[in-house]
Amino acid sequence: GDSVTQMEGPVTLSEEAFLTINCTYTATGYPSLFWYVQYPGEGLQLLLKATKADDKGSNKGFEATYRKETTSFHLEKGSVQVSDSAVYFCAPAGGTSYGKLTFGQGTILTVHP
Amino acid sequence: GAVVSQHPSRVICKSGTSVKIECRSLDFQATTMFWYRQFPKKSLMLMATSNEGSKATYEQGVEKDKFLINHASLTLSTLTVTSAHPEDSSFYICSARAAGTYTYNEQFFGPGTRLTVL
Repeated sequence: GDSVTQMEGPVTLSEEAFLTINCTYTATGYPSLFWYVQYPGEGLQLLLKATKADDKGSNKGFEATYRKETTSFHLEKGSVQVSDSAVYFCAPAGGTSYGKLTFGQGTILTVHP
Repeated sequence: GAVVSQHPSRVICKSGTSVKIECRSLDFQATTMFWYRQFPKKSLMLMATSNEGSKATYEQGVEKDKFLINHASLTLSTLTVTSAHPEDSSFYICSARAAGTYTYNEQFFGPGTRLTVL
């Protein structure tokens, strides 16, 4: 089945620092790739997505590029804010999983002023 | 658009009782809904997949008789935790997938239900 390896956390940054959260996946076929964000005590919100190779998903200053050759979908942001503090989940869907999302272990991000 | 609600947001019950959690897609029809369980500081564990009008498909290790799922309409799925015990305490999250204009495989998540069994 599909699997995901996410960068170990927690990650602690100062405001305006550069953020990278690595994500690699294994999946057969052509999965869609998603990053979800979970704020404390809440459910998951879609942050960004990419549905085919070389697509770049972007939202709220976050970006991730679908790299089929390296099976990666790393999340980046040039200047983080305190409000970005949350848990970030990488998740492929599709391939042989019939549309099921396979979640990484989540990366806790804390941004200090 | 693509809003999913869950009710209740929090529930506390006594051991041995049953609890029902509702998941609704408010502005779209959900052909498939998913139920997840999340332990503190852990990832989401898929419990089951339900398609409207058919039986749910449970993931390995999930007791179907304990976690009853009903997907009676295109906008509502329910999860009933039967004879709940303290070890069932968790954060339960549903998601819904719509066909049509949304990216295939994209799921929209509810805000979650915190279940505490005393």
